Amino acid sequence: EAGVVQSPRYKIIEKKQPVAFWCNPISGHNTLYWYLQNLGQGPELLIRYENEEAVDDSQLPKDRFSAERLKGVDSTLKIQPAELGDSAVYLCASSLEAGGPEQFFGPGTRLTVL
Amino acid sequence: QKEVEQNSGPLSVPEGAIASLNCTYSDRGSQSFFWYRQYSGKSPELIMFIYSNGDKEDGRFTAQLNKASQYVSLLIRDSQPSDSATYLCAVKSYNTDKLIFGTGTRLQVFP
Repeated sequence: EAGVVQSPRYKIIEKKQPVAFWCNPISGHNTLYWYLQNLGQGPELLIRYENEEAVDDSQLPKDRFSAERLKGVDSTLKIQPAELGDSAVYLCASSLEAGGPEQFFGPGTRLTVL
Repeated sequence: QKEVEQNSGPLSVPEGAIASLNCTYSDRGSQSFFWYRQYSGKSPELIMFIYSNGDKEDGRFTAQLNKASQYVSLLIRDSQPSDSATYLCAVKSYNTDKLIFGTGTRLQVFP
C-alpha cells in the first residue's frame, strides 16, 4: 500500500513569491490534514478535510494561505505571498475516517523563504 | 501554559536501559493519547495510542496514562541506538478530531 505522497520535497523561494504544495493521501482515506512544523516544535494543524469539505480551518492564516481538496482526494496548499516566517516543513497526513486512531504522515515539504 | 508539555531533552540513556518519556496535558476533556516517533528529517510515525487509564504494552514499548494527574508516559525497554529520535506526545480532546502535539523529547541511546 502506497503511503501519503507529497511534492515537492524541497522548495526555495524568495519572499513575496507564491508557492504551492501537493498531497495525495492513502487510497480510501477520507480525512486529510495539513500541518506546519517549525524546527524543534511539534506539528500544528492548519486545516482538516473530511472528503472535500474543510471542517477545521481555524488555524489557517487566510490572508495568505489557501487550500483545496477537489473531488475529495488530492489536496493543494498555497501560500501567496510567502513571508520569511513561513519557512518550515509542511506535512500532509490522512486517516481512514474522522476520529480514526491513526494519522499517517507524508514525508513533508521543506520550504525555505529567502 | 502549553496544552501539551514535554521536556525537550536530550534524554541520554545507555543501550539496554529503560528510557522514560513524560508528557503532561492541560485539557481535562482529552480522551485519546498518542506517541509518535520522528527521526531527524523524517515525518512522524505512530508508535502507540492509549485511551484508558493504566498501562498498554506493545513489544518493548509501554504507554502509561493517568487522567487524574493529566500525564501520559512512554517507556522503552532494552533501548537500542536505533531508538534515537524525537518522541512526540499528542492529545485529542473528546469533541474534536484535532491532534495537539507537544514539542517532543529528543532521545539519545548510546552504545
